[in-house]
Amino acid sequence: EVQLVESGGGLVQPGGSLRLSCAASGFTFSSYEMNWVRQAPGKGLEWVSYISSSGSTIYYADSVKGRFTISRDNAKNSLYLQMNSLRAEDTAVYYCARAIPQQFGYYMDVWGKGTTVTVSS
Amino acid sequence: EIVMTQSPATLSVSPGERATLSCRASQSVSSNLAWYQQKPGQAPRLLIYGASTRATGIPARFSGSGSGTEFTLTISSLQSEDFAVYYCQQYNNWLPLTFGGGTKVEIK
Repeated sequence: EVQLVESGGGLVQPGGSLRLSCAASGFTFSSYEMNWVRQAPGKGLEWVSYISSSGSTIYYADSVKGRFTISRDNAKNSLYLQMNSLRAEDTAVYYCARAIPQQFGYYMDVWGKGTTVTVSS
Repeated sequence: EIVMTQSPATLSVSPGERATLSCRASQSVSSNLAWYQQKPGQAPRLLIYGASTRATGIPARFSGSGSGTEFTLTISSLQSEDFAVYYCQQYNNWLPLTFGGGTKVEIK
């Protein structure tokens, strides 16, 4: 079964750091581009970051650029999101999602159940 | 950044009835549009990509149409399990990749 399982969420103070992980199984992880997408409480979906299958190409939303770092370990079938200088507005459920590339962009066909990050003092 | 606008915000429909959801892009996205379904406490689920192609395992009562800036998701006969929030997402100009604000389909 194709599966993504996030972990690492929790309560953190403003200015703090957190590292999210996403464990992939049931497919050849190293062949797929991956993303982090978040959803603030009661809000819609917001794309956060993208990483290519090899890890050589990375993009971020402006809202997290310079504070978040995406990475992957294909040997461990894992995706990561290092989040520094956290703000209250980063409070959200964070999903990892598998990308299916198209001519110009991609859609996401497999999503994890998400991990909750709460930034509060 | 391409802005995606979904309407209505909430759609009240009786089981068995047809539901029509709209998604508008601020500029043309060709057919590079996906639809997702999200139930409370669950992750989004891919329904449609390429504006009109159903994803694996998606029932035929879900159909997508449109191109350019105007898109529609139609649920031909609503089942109890279809009451959820639906999001559109463009991937024609994907930095950043953008989603619509969602349409909640609720029981009338």
